[in-house]
Amino acid sequence: QLVESGGGLVKPGGSLRLSCAASGFTFSSYSMNWVRQSPGKGLEWVSSISSNGDSIYYADSVRGPFTISRDNAKNSLYLQMNSLRAEDTAVYYCARQVGTIRSDAFDIWGQGTMVTVSS
Amino acid sequence: SYVLSQPPSVSVAPGKTARISCGANNIGNKSVHWCQQKPGQAPMVVIYYDSDRPSGIPERFSGSNSGNTATLTISRVEAGDEADYYCQVWDSSSDHVVFGGGTKLTVL
Repeated sequence: QLVESGGGLVKPGGSLRLSCAASGFTFSSYSMNWVRQSPGKGLEWVSSISSNGDSIYYADSVRGPFTISRDNAKNSLYLQMNSLRAEDTAVYYCARQVGTIRSDAFDIWGQGTMVTVSS
Repeated sequence: SYVLSQPPSVSVAPGKTARISCGANNIGNKSVHWCQQKPGQAPMVVIYYDSDRPSGIPERFSGSNSGNTATLTISRVEAGDEADYYCQVWDSSSDHVVFGGGTKLTVL
């Protein structure tokens, strides 16, 4: 199971840190991802992190302001979001990757946490 | 960047077969995954690695992938299959995960 938290209303230019708590599986064995969905729109991949945190990838739209990280001792995934813009308004999902290779599917998804960027 | 093209909507009568396409250059050389998203819910994978079904997904769901088109096929469509469906691949050239724009399946 994956449970996201940390969403909310933030002003443009502000920051927010999302968390994703994992349970029921060996968190440290899996690559993890953040995927977002703007209101009424489709899914957009945001970032990936390997099982040990050594390999990190970002969508072009968030590279720089966003930072993905994980704490395997706490079974937790994080997304630090800085310099937020209205276009970052979305439901943010964390998702587990089936395996450790980049082409693996996302087999478990959290319920999502809403981030609203507005003045 | 690698773009996945899906029809915005597909309509089908109950009991019939729905086919949802996902088009891209040489997509047959990639592993395609399909997820289902019902209103107000998180996405859920229904087909991975082109044609494999996760545990718990009905046999009515199947997938294929060849050339420039991957297809999700839902046989004997039920009202409960009404949802948005997204295809997903990993683009090796950009090292990005890519989602299609999504297809809204309507059961008439």
